Amino acid sequence: GQNIDQPTEMTATEGAIVQINCTYQTSGFNGLFWYQQHAGEAPTFLSYNVLDGLEEKGRFSSFLSRSKGYSYLLLKELQMKDSASYLCAAMDSNYQLIWGAGTKLIIKP
Amino acid sequence: GAVVSQHPSWVICKSGTSVKIECRSLDFQATTMFWYRQFPKQSLMLMATSNEGSKATYEQGVEKDKFLINHASLTLSTLTVTSAHPEDSSFYICSARQDRESQPQHFGDGTRLSIL
Repeated sequence: GQNIDQPTEMTATEGAIVQINCTYQTSGFNGLFWYQQHAGEAPTFLSYNVLDGLEEKGRFSSFLSRSKGYSYLLLKELQMKDSASYLCAAMDSNYQLIWGAGTKLIIKP
Repeated sequence: GAVVSQHPSWVICKSGTSVKIECRSLDFQATTMFWYRQFPKQSLMLMATSNEGSKATYEQGVEKDKFLINHASLTLSTLTVTSAHPEDSSFYICSARQDRESQPQHFGDGTRLSIL
């Protein structure tokens, strides 16, 4: 079956760095997406990786290892507004997105 | 760019009422639109995928006669919850994608539906 695993909840301190991991098992693979979702709001697109390696976008970076079925989202210089759920979604061979349950990130001052 | 507008953002209505939710891509043409449902503290559940000018593809367990989807143009899709009941109360979110499958889905702000 197809499956996405990510931690349910993480806590970090303002100004610090946090890494949110995601492992996936899909029928075929056409890339991995990360989305941010604040409570009560819709998700917003953060990143897309289809090749191995690190993609950096400001304070946020996303990494992919296709051979390991593994990705992470790295958030630097954490701000209180980064408190949100982070959703990992892998695209299978039919271009369907398989969604993780999300990681709730709590930022403490 | 890639703005998706969804409305209404909040609906409260009586049981038995039908409710229509609109999803519009404002600055791009959306070949494909998606409708999701999300319960509190749970992940997104895909309900259906719609392509402009064709019938929607519903996920297993989603009643197509209950959740009517119309994708009449490249910028508009609608979801109608027919004869809504309290168990249909949820957060409904649409997303839209441009022509290539590897393009990200861009989400509307969601509609919070409460059926009394």
